[in-house]
Amino acid sequence: QKEVEQNSGPLSVPEGAIASLNCTYSDRGSQSFFWYRQYSGKSPELIMFIYSNGDKEDGRFTAQLNKASQYVSLLIRDSQPSDSATYLCAVNRETGGYNKLIFGAGTRLAVHP
Amino acid sequence: EAGVVQSPRYKIIEKKQPVAFWCNPISGHNTLYWYLQNLGQGPELLIRYENEEAVDDSQLPKDRFSAERLKGVDSTLKIQPAELGDSAVYLCASSLTSGSMNEQFFGPGTRLTVL
Repeated sequence: QKEVEQNSGPLSVPEGAIASLNCTYSDRGSQSFFWYRQYSGKSPELIMFIYSNGDKEDGRFTAQLNKASQYVSLLIRDSQPSDSATYLCAVNRETGGYNKLIFGAGTRLAVHP
Repeated sequence: EAGVVQSPRYKIIEKKQPVAFWCNPISGHNTLYWYLQNLGQGPELLIRYENEEAVDDSQLPKDRFSAERLKGVDSTLKIQPAELGDSAVYLCASSLTSGSMNEQFFGPGTRLTVL
């Protein structure tokens, strides 16, 4: 079992719809969780992070965390074609007093007009 | 403010040749990371520096890979000799510190092709 698992997609949604991206993780001790967006041929850029159970909203993006179920998700409201990218879930793991990000393989999102 | 700078952006070499990648982090960022990203996968950490000290190099294949950050600013990652399986994108990232909430900023990456 991979430490961070994501559906590879592609997830295809129409413009204006809600895109729901999911991620599960195996380390119960993980405390912080990150969503990165990566356009094709570009480097990852942080969208948001979350560390408390529940929802965290930032503009059109909402991150949801359920530590009991070891599940984190990202909702994108009013999806736009410019949101088409790969979304990487990353989980922080503390190792030897230092923090290490473990990335999932990413989910490819395609928003069609 | 300038972002993370990496060079070269692309490199094509033949197997068994050496190759080096350079990274200049965001000014003031003490923590520097080198990641490897294969096609269709997420980045995997190779090595992390806190200033000039390598504090996590457990995933670095030390028989052929080496890295340095001599003055605690820019860094070089070297592969010698390169193998076909080393073809990937090598990403450098930096953050202010290595705290659990710290945002990592990624450079544009170096795409390595080994023939």
